[in-house]
Amino acid sequence: GQSLEQPSEVTAVEGAIVQINCTYQTSGFYGLSWYQQHDGGAPTFLSYNALDGLEETGRFSSFLSRSDSYGYLLLQELQMKDSASYFCAVIRDSNYQLIWGAGTKLIIKP
Amino acid sequence: GAGVSQSPSNKVTEKGKDVELRCDPISGHTALYWYRQSLGQGLEFLIYFQGNSAPDKSGLPSDRFSAERTGGSVSTLTIQRTQQEDSAVYLCASSRQPNTEAFFGQGTRLTVV
Repeated sequence: GQSLEQPSEVTAVEGAIVQINCTYQTSGFYGLSWYQQHDGGAPTFLSYNALDGLEETGRFSSFLSRSDSYGYLLLQELQMKDSASYFCAVIRDSNYQLIWGAGTKLIIKP
Repeated sequence: GAGVSQSPSNKVTEKGKDVELRCDPISGHTALYWYRQSLGQGLEFLIYFQGNSAPDKSGLPSDRFSAERTGGSVSTLTIQRTQQEDSAVYLCASSRQPNTEAFFGQGTRLTVV
């Protein structure tokens, strides 16, 4: 079957660094994406990894290890506005279907 | 348009009625996705269109659900004989190509009473 595992909830302090992990088990793999969703809002794209390594975009970075079927999203200099749910999603190479994790709720405390 | 547009934004319907949800993707985007999201849950894949064809309908929960896309643009998701378990937010997304960044609409909140 297809599955993605990510923690249901993570708590961090404003200004700190937090890492949200994602492990996946899918038949076929093309790439790993990360999306952010605020309560009541639509998901918005954060990053995409097709190759092993680290992709950096401002305060956000995403890492992928294809051999370990593992990736993570790293958020630095946390701000209160970063409080949201973060989803990892695998793009399968067979049909480009996006398979989503259940999401990680990030709670940021002052 | 500037973004993905979905209508209606909210829909309350009686159990057993049919509903039609509309998605207007970003112009030029060939890939279109329908998802369902229940409160506090992740996204459940429903169907994916490449152009007007749907290579993957595996996520449709039952034969009460159907979707079409015409002219490589607007898509409609139809739910027949709605049930209370169909209550959720239905999200549509489009992307320029299947493996690129997906842009989401604001969703249609469906409530079946």
